[in-house]
Amino acid sequence: AQKITQTQPGMFVQEKEAVTLDCTYDTSDPSYGLFWYKQPSSGEMIFLIYQGSYDQQNATEGRYSLNFQKARKSANLVISASQLGDSAMYFCAMREGGDSSYKLIFGSGTRLLVRP
Amino acid sequence: DVKVTQSSRYLVKRTGEKVFLECVQDMDHENMFWYRQDPGLGLRLIYFSYDVKMKEKGDIPEGYSVSREKKERFSLILESASTNQTSMYLCASSLTGLGTATYNEQFFGPGTRLTVL
Repeated sequence: AQKITQTQPGMFVQEKEAVTLDCTYDTSDPSYGLFWYKQPSSGEMIFLIYQGSYDQQNATEGRYSLNFQKARKSANLVISASQLGDSAMYFCAMREGGDSSYKLIFGSGTRLLVRP
Repeated sequence: DVKVTQSSRYLVKRTGEKVFLECVQDMDHENMFWYRQDPGLGLRLIYFSYDVKMKEKGDIPEGYSVSREKKERFSLILESASTNQTSMYLCASSLTGLGTATYNEQFFGPGTRLTVL
């Protein structure tokens, strides 16, 4: 069974609008962490935002926020005020077992294209 | 800033050749990882290492081996390259979780696009 599911292979958004990228996960471990990475066409993976399973508040980092709905096992990434430079692949990933663990499980990714 | 470098951005090899992909990180991270990335499949873990000379298999280790003789360097070896190993290979590193106040996120290199003919 897929542990991380990203159901949107590709998405478009108009510049300056907000966009939500979906991610659902599957784990029975009470301690886990969720990550979002951005991969521009240059290839390197850039860490964007992190949400721990015990965090009470949704994570935010600048224009990125994570809509964490624990009961639904979803961790959607919201990008506000999209910019042309946001065009990239976006990957959701999960680490099970708490901070002492280090393996990440990645989803298949969503390609976002920002239109001018 | 953490820097993870990979020896080549693009590599073309022939079937049956022995291939070495090198990765170096400069932030004294304990953990290092090798992934391959294929369209529609995301990143899949090949091997990882949590200390010098220590390694563990990931999800798809068949056809690959690794070497970590020094803390900063993690090598991926394709003993006999095959066409189905044509892919993007990404190296990453991270701190361990113990006693740190970070998210222990993984830092990635720029990737090596390997083509096996």
